[in-house]
Amino acid sequence: EAGVAQSPRYKIIEKRQSVAFWCNPISGHATLYWYQQILGQGPKLLIQFQNNGVVDDSQLPKDRFSAERLKGVDSTLKIQPAKLEDSAVYLCASSQGLAGRETQYFGPGTRLLVL
Amino acid sequence: TQLLEQSPQFLSIQEGENLTVYCNSSSVFSSLQWYRQEPGEGPVLLVTVVTGGEVKKLKRLTFQFGDARKDSSLHITAAQPGDTGLYLCAGEKNTGGFKTIFGAGTRLFVKA
Repeated sequence: EAGVAQSPRYKIIEKRQSVAFWCNPISGHATLYWYQQILGQGPKLLIQFQNNGVVDDSQLPKDRFSAERLKGVDSTLKIQPAKLEDSAVYLCASSQGLAGRETQYFGPGTRLLVL
Repeated sequence: TQLLEQSPQFLSIQEGENLTVYCNSSSVFSSLQWYRQEPGEGPVLLVTVVTGGEVKKLKRLTFQFGDARKDSSLHITAAQPGDTGLYLCAGEKNTGGFKTIFGAGTRLFVKA
């Protein structure tokens, strides 16, 4: 079974530029998560989708971050404009459902450096 | 404010030693998970504990959930270099929907 795919793996941009990340979850997984992991910290949930609907985006900085999952499969996360403090690893994860104790499967992440 | 506090933040030990890492909170969780994350990879689930006082074993790893479901520990017996990595605990809360909150992790380095 293929795992969660993310691209690109690395991205370097200058502040105020835009950037987009792509995630393809495990086939059949209804729930998709985007996390931000700053160096030395644990992952922080940015947004959670079930199919193509948003379940939780309470920690998403909506003035600069946006995410979509139009067909309920793959997803994109965009930052516009980027700030220095956005430098982090952006992890995508998926799970079969939305119930408690669902196992989340993580992709390898996209490492973003904002200069 | 970190909802889940992990300690120690960093641990460097010799192969063959035993170690325990801790995950503490003032909040009650419906379940708690332990993940291991290696450089350049996403976290991989090791175990989920659900019941207060529950103990689970995974080869040389022993996981315990506190009686009050606020804290957990991970004990590794006879550590090996392959155990090197970032160990993350994550608590799940049911607040009208299930939400997972991660601790900052314990970075373990096992020297051969």
